[in-house]
This record gives sequence, C-alpha cells and structure tokens, in this order.
Amino acid sequence: EAGVAQSPRYKIIEKRQSVAFWCNPISGHATLYWYQQILGQGPKLLIQFQNNGVVDDSQLPKDRFSAERLKGVDSTLKIQPAKLEDSAVYLCASSLVDSSYEQYFGPGTRLTVT
Amino acid sequence: GQSLEQPSEVTAVEGAIVQINCTYQTSGFYGLSWYQQHDGGAPTFLSYNALDGLEETGRFSSFLSRSDSYGYLLLQELQMKDSASYFCAVSLDQTGANNLFFGTGTRLTVIP
Repeated sequence: EAGVAQSPRYKIIEKRQSVAFWCNPISGHATLYWYQQILGQGPKLLIQFQNNGVVDDSQLPKDRFSAERLKGVDSTLKIQPAKLEDSAVYLCASSLVDSSYEQYFGPGTRLTVT
Repeated sequence: GQSLEQPSEVTAVEGAIVQINCTYQTSGFYGLSWYQQHDGGAPTFLSYNALDGLEETGRFSSFLSRSDSYGYLLLQELQMKDSASYFCAVSLDQTGANNLFFGTGTRLTVIP
C-alpha cells in the first residue's frame, strides 16, 4: 500500500513570495489534513477535508493561506505572501472517516522563508 | 483552550523500561493517541485509548484514566532505535471535526 505522498520535500523562498505544496493521500482515505509543525513543537492542524469539503479550517490564517481538494483526492496548500514565521514543516496526513485518531502522515515539506 | 502536558525530555538505558506521561485539559475528549517521530521523519501512529485501562501492542503499552485526565506510554525492552520524539494527541470530538490536538512532545534518548 502506497503511503501519503508530498512534494516538494524542501523549499526555500524569500518573504512575500508565494509557495504551494501538494499532497496525495492513501487511496480510499476520505479525510485529509494539513498540519504545520514548527521545530520543537507538535503538529498543529491547519485544515481538515472530508472528501472535497472543508470540515475544519479554524486555525488556517486565511489572509495568506489557502487550500483545496477539488476532486476529493489530492490537495494543495498555498501560502501567499509568505512571512518569516511560516518557516516550518508542512505535513499532510490522511485517515479513514471513522478512524481519525489513526492518521498516516507524509514525509512533509520543510519550508524556509528568508 | 486546550492543553496537553508531557515531559520535554527523557533519557533511559537500552533494555530498560520508560514511561512517558501525558495530562490533558481540553474542551472535548474522545480518546488519546500516541505518535512516534524520528528526527526528520513523519509522525507514525503507535496506539489509541478511548476507554480507561491498558492497551498493549508488542513492546509498547498505553494507559488512559479519563477521570484523572491522564495517560501514559510505556516502552519496554528499550532499543536504540526507540530514540525519537513521542507525542500524545487528544481526539477532541467523535463526529464532525475529528481533529487531533497534539502535545509538544517528549524527546526520548536511549543510551547504551
């Protein structure tokens, strides 16, 4: 069974530039999550999708972050414009609808904003 | 607000047993999960407790006391490869936004 795929693995951009991350969840997993993990901290949920609908985006900074999951499969997360404090690892995870406690994480994208 | 408390660092000897505690104060509670994350790696699921008591999975066990808002992860027969960060995470609700709220993690170092 293929795991959660993410790209790119690393990205370095200057502040005020834009960046996009891509995620392909495990086949059959209807629920998809985007997390931000700052060094030394636990993952923080940014947005949760079930199929192509948003379940929770209460912690997504909507003035600069956006995400979509148009066909209910893969997803993109965008930051525009980036700030220095956005430097973090962005993790995508997926799960079955009734097993949200057991999430499968991708390798993450390490973003550095200079 | 939500808060989970874990020790920031723990050191233990190879072959020994170590317990990582987690106390929580959250607006909702459906269950407690544990995840392992090696440096530079992705979090991986270890265990889940929805009911009080002990769940055993190989060398790892997890315990929950809902009345005490407390749980722990027990690692037995420690191996060098167990050196990693361990996160407890609360499932805040059963339905709707089933998101996990993660603690800040405990960095476990296993020494020879």
